[in-house]
Amino acid sequence: RKEVEQDPGPFNVPEGATVAFNCTYSNSASQSFFWYRQDCRKEPKLLMSVYSSGNEDGRFTAQLNRASQYISLLIRDSKLSDSATYLCVVSASNAGNMLTFGGGTRLMVKP
Amino acid sequence: DAGVIQSPRHEVTEMGQEVTLRCKPISGHDYLFWYRQTMMRGLELLIYFNNNVPIDDSGMPEDRFSAKMPNASFSTLKIQPSEPRDSAVYFCASSYGTSGGAVTGELFFGEGSRLTVL
Repeated sequence: RKEVEQDPGPFNVPEGATVAFNCTYSNSASQSFFWYRQDCRKEPKLLMSVYSSGNEDGRFTAQLNRASQYISLLIRDSKLSDSATYLCVVSASNAGNMLTFGGGTRLMVKP
Repeated sequence: DAGVIQSPRHEVTEMGQEVTLRCKPISGHDYLFWYRQTMMRGLELLIYFNNNVPIDDSGMPEDRFSAKMPNASFSTLKIQPSEPRDSAVYFCASSYGTSGGAVTGELFFGEGSRLTVL
């Protein structure tokens, strides 16, 4: 079983739609959580951190459920420019706090 | 400010040849990471350095792979001899550490080196 699992997609949604991705992690010692975004043939870039109480950044909302060991990313009012792969990233204190990347969920927003 | 700089951006080589990938981290960052990305396996951490010292190389696939960081502004990843299954995008990333010595959540990646081994 992978440490960080994501549905690879692709999620095909029309502009303006709301879309949500989930990510599950297996290491119960995980302490920090992030979403990264990777455009096609580009490098990953930090999108947002995920805090225990949930957090919002514009159209993006991240949630953490420690009991069930999953995190989510909600994108409202999807734009064409949101098309990318979204990587769930977890770090655990018993893994040297190194970042473990999920395989990514591909989103395609269509006109 | 310049970001993480990697070279070459693309390399096509034949099986058995030596490949050297280079990375210049962001000035002031004390962590440097080498990742490999493939469609099948996603992003895999190969090795990372803290203050130029290799900390964990357990992700290095085999002895054909080696990495060095002779100073704070330069690192290399070498594959010798290369094999077709080494074909991937190799990313270098750097970051600050926290006051407690842990890695912060934001890694700054270079644009990657796309390696094709024929």
